[in-house]
Amino acid sequence: KAGVTQTPRYLIKTRGQQVTLSCSPISGHRSVSWYQQTPGQGLQFLFEYFSETQRNKGNFPGRFSGRQFSNSRSEMNVSTLELGDSALYLCASSLGLRAGNNEQFFGPGTRLTVL
Amino acid sequence: GQNIDQPTEMTATEGAIVQINCTYQTSGFNGLFWYQQHAGEAPTFLSYNVLDGLEEKGRFSSFLSRSKGYSYLLLKELQMKDSASYLCAASGGSYIPTFGRGTSLIVHP
Repeated sequence: KAGVTQTPRYLIKTRGQQVTLSCSPISGHRSVSWYQQTPGQGLQFLFEYFSETQRNKGNFPGRFSGRQFSNSRSEMNVSTLELGDSALYLCASSLGLRAGNNEQFFGPGTRLTVL
Repeated sequence: GQNIDQPTEMTATEGAIVQINCTYQTSGFNGLFWYQQHAGEAPTFLSYNVLDGLEEKGRFSSFLSRSKGYSYLLLKELQMKDSASYLCAASGGSYIPTFGRGTSLIVHP
């Protein structure tokens, strides 16, 4: 069974631009979560989707948004990029409804650099 | 608020046993996770504890005490490939997993 895939793997943007990242979960997984990972803050929860509905949202500004499609694929968008948005963005899928009580399978991540 | 505390770095010798501690404070509690993350790779699931006690899985064991807000990951018969970052994550009442900053384990010969 194929793992979680994320595209693109690397991205370089400039301040003020917007970016869209994509995630395809493991086949059969309907829950998708997004995380931001930085050396200073570690892994921080962005949001979680199940059956096209956002179930939870972390403490990030409204510039960070996401959505999930009927085939469980998910996208996240960051508008008006700031230097501090440079990070590894990880997507994870799980079989159950919630990331908080299910094993999560992480994708390889998208490395975003904002110049 | 949520707070997860774990040591930043630990070193151990190949073949030895190491215990990585994690203390947590959450509003509500729905379980404690441990993930392993090798440098440049994605985290992989190691364990999930929701009840008190020790759960053993091969060379790895995880312990939870809900009353103390405390967990540990025990790695036995250390191998060089166990050098990685170990992430503790507590799930609060809202089912949002809050991760610690990770413990970098260095295993030397």
